[in-house]
Amino acid sequence: DAMVIQNPRYQVTQFGKPVTLSCSQTLNHNVMYWYQQKSSQAPKLLFHYYDKDFNNEADTPDNFQSRRPNTSFCFLDIRSPGLGDAAMYLCATSRDTSSGVYNEQFFGPGTRLTVL
Amino acid sequence: AQTVTQSQPEMSVQEAETVTLSCTYDTSENNYYLFWYKQPPSRQMILVIRQEAYKQQNATENRFSVNFQKAAKSFSLKISDSQLGDTAMYFCAFTKYNNNDMRFGAGTRLTVKP
Repeated sequence: DAMVIQNPRYQVTQFGKPVTLSCSQTLNHNVMYWYQQKSSQAPKLLFHYYDKDFNNEADTPDNFQSRRPNTSFCFLDIRSPGLGDAAMYLCATSRDTSSGVYNEQFFGPGTRLTVL
Repeated sequence: AQTVTQSQPEMSVQEAETVTLSCTYDTSENNYYLFWYKQPPSRQMILVIRQEAYKQQNATENRFSVNFQKAAKSFSLKISDSQLGDTAMYFCAFTKYNNNDMRFGAGTRLTVKP
């Protein structure tokens, strides 16, 4: 089945130690998103890629970076995790929305990050 | 900026009964999309139902239906014949037409009781 896969499902890191979360998709969608979801809160968009074009949200901290080496994979890098970065990180994909046609976002299961 | 408000942090309903979750939003756009997403405990978020703002007819998907009031900027979700598997967080979300940026409400935790 076509899907969005996130690895690992659970990640523990130490304060200040860089960590990378990964997302892959078999849907061949050209848009990929990273969301941060803290406990009992709404997902918050960090950034998204439209093909290779990176789109950062204005309030996303510089501590968060992303890479998309190809259509299938997208990575979230947290350069120096703080205690406040502990959260669920959701990856999502969609087809092109620039034409105005609605395209559903498909979500992965998320990676729960713990910062010690 | 677009904002989405869900005023009910938690709700419960008896199995087989009907429940309505509320959502209001604020936008100056005329064309946009509205969504309800379901996030079961420890499982991934899935789309329940969507509504195009230019359509007057309310969307329906089996037991799920919406009441879309464009002038009031209200978008409620009705779940009929509630099932135990409907227990989840429900998020209302908004995107502008021709845009990748989705804004979510804070969510409503729904518990279906046997």
